[in-house]
Amino acid sequence: EAQVTQNPRYLITVTGKKLTVTCSQNMNHEYMSWYRQDPGLGLRQIYYSMNVEVTDKGDVPEGYKVSRKEKRNFPLILESPSPNQTSLYFCASSPTSGRDTQYFGPGTRLTVL
Amino acid sequence: KQEVTQIPAALSVPEGENLVLNCSFTDSAIYNLQWFRQDPGKGLTSLLLIQSSQREQTSGRLNASLDKSSGRSTLYIAASQPGDSATYLCAVRGSQGNLIFGKGTKLSVKP
Repeated sequence: EAQVTQNPRYLITVTGKKLTVTCSQNMNHEYMSWYRQDPGLGLRQIYYSMNVEVTDKGDVPEGYKVSRKEKRNFPLILESPSPNQTSLYFCASSPTSGRDTQYFGPGTRLTVL
Repeated sequence: KQEVTQIPAALSVPEGENLVLNCSFTDSAIYNLQWFRQDPGKGLTSLLLIQSSQREQTSGRLNASLDKSSGRSTLYIAASQPGDSATYLCAVRGSQGNLIFGKGTKLSVKP
């Protein structure tokens, strides 16, 4: 089944403890992206990647890192999480960065205490 | 900078009614526009994708239109059902491949 998977789905952590949220797609898509969703602010892009080893900042990249060593994986890294990073995170992928549909993962609900 | 606005923010209708959700965007230089559905605490389900060169797309009881020159799109839902209750999100795709989302319309269909 074609899908985007994220792990973990739920995570409660404390300020400053490094964490990684994994994202994987099995559709051989070139383009992958991370979004965060917050009440009243909607969905905003954090980082995106147009292909392996090519990443760039979205609208709200501060406090996040990403890597794209393999085509299928695009992990989101929080080196020193803070409470303002408490949010619902979505990974998405599409065949290219152009006119294709974006497919979203199920989301990761992160709480930073 | 592209901005996407959805009106109304919330809508409550009786079952069986036809309804229209509105989306507007400020920059007409888009690749496409996509409508999503989001159930509470869940992920996004893609409903319809309209390319910038298209005027409308249909899927079952859903019809989406796009007027790029005026920066508007509408999602028409025919014969609404309680199962249609969800938040509907409109998003436009920019030149970097990113989606710029509106804040959504929360739809409630009463039996």
